[in-house]
Parts: sequence; structure tokens; C-alpha cells
Amino acid sequence: AQKVTQAQTEISVVEKEDVTLDCVYETRDTTYYLFWYKQPPSGELVFLIRRNSFDEQNEISGRYSWNFQKSTSSFNFTITASQVVDSAVYFCALSEAVTNAGKSTFGDGTTLTVKP
Amino acid sequence: DAGVIQSPRHEVTEMGQEVTLRCKPISGHDYLFWYRQTMMRGLELLIYFNNNVPIDDSGMPEDRFSAKMPNASFSTLKIQPSEPRDSAVYFCASSPDEWGAATGELFFGEGSRLTVL
Repeated sequence: AQKVTQAQTEISVVEKEDVTLDCVYETRDTTYYLFWYKQPPSGELVFLIRRNSFDEQNEISGRYSWNFQKSTSSFNFTITASQVVDSAVYFCALSEAVTNAGKSTFGDGTTLTVKP
Repeated sequence: DAGVIQSPRHEVTEMGQEVTLRCKPISGHDYLFWYRQTMMRGLELLIYFNNNVPIDDSGMPEDRFSAKMPNASFSTLKIQPSEPRDSAVYFCASSPDEWGAATGELFFGEGSRLTVL
């Protein structure tokens, strides 16, 4: 069965600090996709990134970067020089391409608070 | 381009009442998903449709919940009778095609916050 664990329930940092959100997953499929979504206080879910299981290259997008390591089944998300607007709940998600195609599993989320 | 549209955004009702939540997926998207978000259980998939046909409803909590998709541009999630434990945010999401659905490419609506007193 697919499972996503976000061990950090809440993180609080001061603006301009770097912060890493952890995500560990479990799956039996060899083909799968990993995601991060952001849920700001307004409530909507905003897609941030998708990676497939065959692409372990790290990705950087502005202040955001993602570290995918199959050896440790982790897909961690780092925000560099955090800003108050980064305050949100962040969800990591997994979608198996075969066994549970169409059924994304979400972690419980990490609430990030960035203080000015 | 319009995204996924959900209504109502907020609903407060009394236990025992019928609740209907509505969703308009992105035009041209073949897949539609209903998710529920609670503090206790996080984000759960309730049901999803492909070309208006329910594919997997194993996440629907019980018989009080039902979902329909009468056409490609409209879906409803109905709770009858509602109970306080149904209080949650209900999200609708759509995906363009089989590949998008299989790879988890989901476009979410803004959610409907339901409070059952």
C-alpha cells in the first residue's frame, strides 16, 4: 500500500531562514510520482512540483528546491530565505502509476509559520 | 481560463439535513475527484470519475454519501442525512486524461467548507 509520512507537524522559522520539509514515502510500484502542494490560509491547494520515480535529479525553482532520493525513499522540500508569504500547510503526495492509478495519497501536511 | 469551480464555499447546516456540494471541472478534463480534508484524517480520496462514470468509490465513508456526474461539466456530492462528523472541507479536483490521472496531475477547486451542527 502506498503511504506518505511527513513527520514534522509544525515548523516555525524567522524570515530569511532556510527551512526543509521532510517527506518519506512507501510504495511497491517501480513507477510512481511524487508531488508537493501548498495550502495557504485561504484554503486552496496549489500544485508546486511533480517528479517521476525515474528522475532523481534535484530541482530548483527560485527559492524552492527539491531533493529526491530513492535510496531513502525521501522527497524533501527546501525553501531558501523564507518569507512570511511562505506560511502555509505543505503536503507531500504520492501517486502510483499502476497499482493505485488515479488515487493520490497525501501526507498529513506540515504547517510552516514564517515570522517577520 | 477558469479553474475547477466549487459551490458553496461555506455551508452550515443542522444534523439530519441534506447537503449537496457542487463541482464544475475544467473544461475538457476527463477525470474528476472528490477529496475530503479533516484535521483527524487529512486529505482522503472519496471517489473519482472517468468520463462521467464512477471508477472507484471505495473511499466513500458510508451509504449516507453519494456522488453523481450527470455530464462532463457537473458533479455533485450529497450527504443525507448529515452528521456533525461530516464537518470538513470537501475538495473537487479534475485531471485532463488517463495519463494525468495516473501521474497525479490534479487541479483542485477552492473547496467547500461544511459545518454540521
